[in-house]
Amino acid sequence: GQSLEQPSEVTAVEGAIVQINCTYQTSGFYGLSWYQQHDGGAPTFLSYNALDGLEETGRFSSFLSRSDSYGYLLLQELQMKDSASYFCAVKYYGNNRLAFGKGNQVVVIP
Amino acid sequence: KAGVTQTPRYLIKTRGQQVTLSCSPISGHRSVSWYQQTPGQGLQFLFEYFSETQRNKGNFPGRFSGRQFSNSRSEMNVSTLELGDSALYLCASSHGQATGGLSIQYFGAGTRLSVL
Repeated sequence: GQSLEQPSEVTAVEGAIVQINCTYQTSGFYGLSWYQQHDGGAPTFLSYNALDGLEETGRFSSFLSRSDSYGYLLLQELQMKDSASYFCAVKYYGNNRLAFGKGNQVVVIP
Repeated sequence: KAGVTQTPRYLIKTRGQQVTLSCSPISGHRSVSWYQQTPGQGLQFLFEYFSETQRNKGNFPGRFSGRQFSNSRSEMNVSTLELGDSALYLCASSHGQATGGLSIQYFGAGTRLSVL
C-alpha cells in the first residue's frame, strides 16, 4: 500500500518538546513534507526532506529515514500558537500528487 | 502577493443538488489541486489541474469534476450531492513543475460544505 500513518493527538506544556512521527508504506517518492493547520485555517508548509537526515528551521526540525520508511517532525520550545494539526505528505514519482497522512493534533497547555 | 482565494467560504445544500466551488490561485501559479478534508479521513486528493488540463486524479466518483481556465482559476463541481460529501474542500496552488522534488502547496482557507 501507499498509506501514511500518524498517531492522532498529543498534549504538551509550553516550553516542552514534541515529536510527531510519520511512517509510510511507499518507496517511490521524492521527499517528505510537513504542513501545519490551525483550527479553521489553511494548511501551511513547514518543512521538506528530500534526503535522509535532519532539516532544521528555527524551532522546528524534520527528519527522514528512507531505509526505515519513517520520518518525524520535532517541535521545540513549544508555544501556545503551536497548537494545531500537523500533516506529513509525500509526493509520488511521476506526478505532482501529494498524499497526506491523517494528521496529528498537538495541544499546548500553559 | 495575494494568497489563494476560495469562494464561497460556507455552503449548505440538500441531497441531490449540485454545487460549484471556486478557487483563484496565487498569481503566476499554474497548478491547482483540490482536496477533501474530513475528520476521519484527513486530506484526500481529488484532482490536479495544470495549464487547463487535468494532470492527476484521485479515487473519487465521477460526480466530482473540475476544470481550469486560461487565467489558472479553477472550479470544482459536485453533482447529486450525498450526505457523505459534507466536508471542507481545500484548494492549493503551486508553480507546478512537471516532475521532481519540492513543490510547495499554498492552500486556501477552504469551502465548508454541509449537505442536509
